[in-house]
Amino acid sequence: DQQVKQNSPSLSVQEGRISILNCDYTNSMFDYFLWYKKYPAEGPTFLISISSIKDKNEDGRFTVFLNKSAKHLSLHIVPSQPGDSAVYFCAARLLSGNTPLVFGKGTRLSVIA
Amino acid sequence: KAGVTQTPRYLIKTRGQQVTLSCSPISGHRSVSWYQQTPGQGLQFLFEYFSETQRNKGNFPGRFSGRQFSNSRSEMNVSTLELGDSALYLCASSLTGASYEQYFGPGTRLTVT
Repeated sequence: DQQVKQNSPSLSVQEGRISILNCDYTNSMFDYFLWYKKYPAEGPTFLISISSIKDKNEDGRFTVFLNKSAKHLSLHIVPSQPGDSAVYFCAARLLSGNTPLVFGKGTRLSVIA
Repeated sequence: KAGVTQTPRYLIKTRGQQVTLSCSPISGHRSVSWYQQTPGQGLQFLFEYFSETQRNKGNFPGRFSGRQFSNSRSEMNVSTLELGDSALYLCASSLTGASYEQYFGPGTRLTVT
């Protein structure tokens, strides 16, 4: 049972345009969400996070939006740059206990110059 | 601060053999988690160790085991290797636990032939 779903395995965007990566979750007990970025031959690196008490968090070109009623979050990258080409993982944390983060399967973003 | 290091980076083993992977966390981090990444399944949680104790375990068979030493370094062992064990094995460290922001190593690419 996949609790965190990234339904688009890949996405191509032109340089300078907006990239929107989507993530859906099924467990309403998730209270904290994170996005990680992964380049080939490297481990994932933390990008941005959002608490369930917020609906938006912004960090430079990256903004994460959370819609709790729809159990949906999205990562917006504006403007997209070729260096943003990577695999992006959405992750979620359960409210209670020391349970590990639950990751989605990832979306491969290609930014075309 | 040095990042998370994993050794070896690449490994080729034969079906039926066993393998040990090593992870050195960021200095001061007491939590070490292990993940398996495959193209179709994304990041799947194997287990977490905190202060030498296994705190969480994912849904993997008993052939997958781990341990953590008093200096927080961790090892992961896979016995009786199967072809399906071919994957990127990622180690992540955290100050407080697998529920929080984690710092990943570059991974060990295991190929089973």
